[in-house]
Amino acid sequence: GQNIDQPTEMTATEGAIVQINCTYQTSGFNGLFWYQQHAGEAPTFLSYNVLDGLEEKGRFSSFLSRSKGYSYLLLKELQMKDSASYLCAFTGGGNKLTFGTGTQLKVEL
Amino acid sequence: NAGVTQTPKFRVLKTGQSMTLLCAQDMNHEYMYWYRQDPGMGLRLIHYSVGEGTTAKGEVPDGYNVSRLKKQNFLLGLESAAPSQTSVYFCASSFLRDQPQHFGDGTRLSIL
Repeated sequence: GQNIDQPTEMTATEGAIVQINCTYQTSGFNGLFWYQQHAGEAPTFLSYNVLDGLEEKGRFSSFLSRSKGYSYLLLKELQMKDSASYLCAFTGGGNKLTFGTGTQLKVEL
Repeated sequence: NAGVTQTPKFRVLKTGQSMTLLCAQDMNHEYMYWYRQDPGMGLRLIHYSVGEGTTAKGEVPDGYNVSRLKKQNFLLGLESAAPSQTSVYFCASSFLRDQPQHFGDGTRLSIL
């Protein structure tokens, strides 16, 4: 079957670096997405990894290891506005995304 | 730029009532999706469509029906609303399967 797992909550300090991990299990895999969702709002796209390695986009980077079924989202120079839920999702066999339950990140002063 | 528009934004229903949620996108996307989001459950796919005139079941389709008569519109129907269908419903669209999905602002539905 398909399964995806990420921590429920994390807390970090403004200006610091935080890494949000995601592990998945699936028989077919095409790529892995990260979305950001602020409270009461819609999810917005952050990154998409197809190949192994690190993809950097400004303060945000995403890493994928297909052999380990593992991804992480790295947020640098944390800002208060980064407080949000971060959703990991993969595309496997079929025409749909499978989402994790999300990691609620709280950035403190 | 409208993107993905959902109507209504809020609705309260009584058990047994029916209603239709409308999703419209102006990006000429082929793929459209309906999700529900509940606390601690994440986003769960209800139904999706890979093009005009097509629909398919997702993870939690029971109690819902959908139609995609026009490429830009994807309708979600609740035939006989139940309290278990109280949720936030999100519509999303993408050009292809492995392209980022664009989400609407959501519909907050309460069933009493």
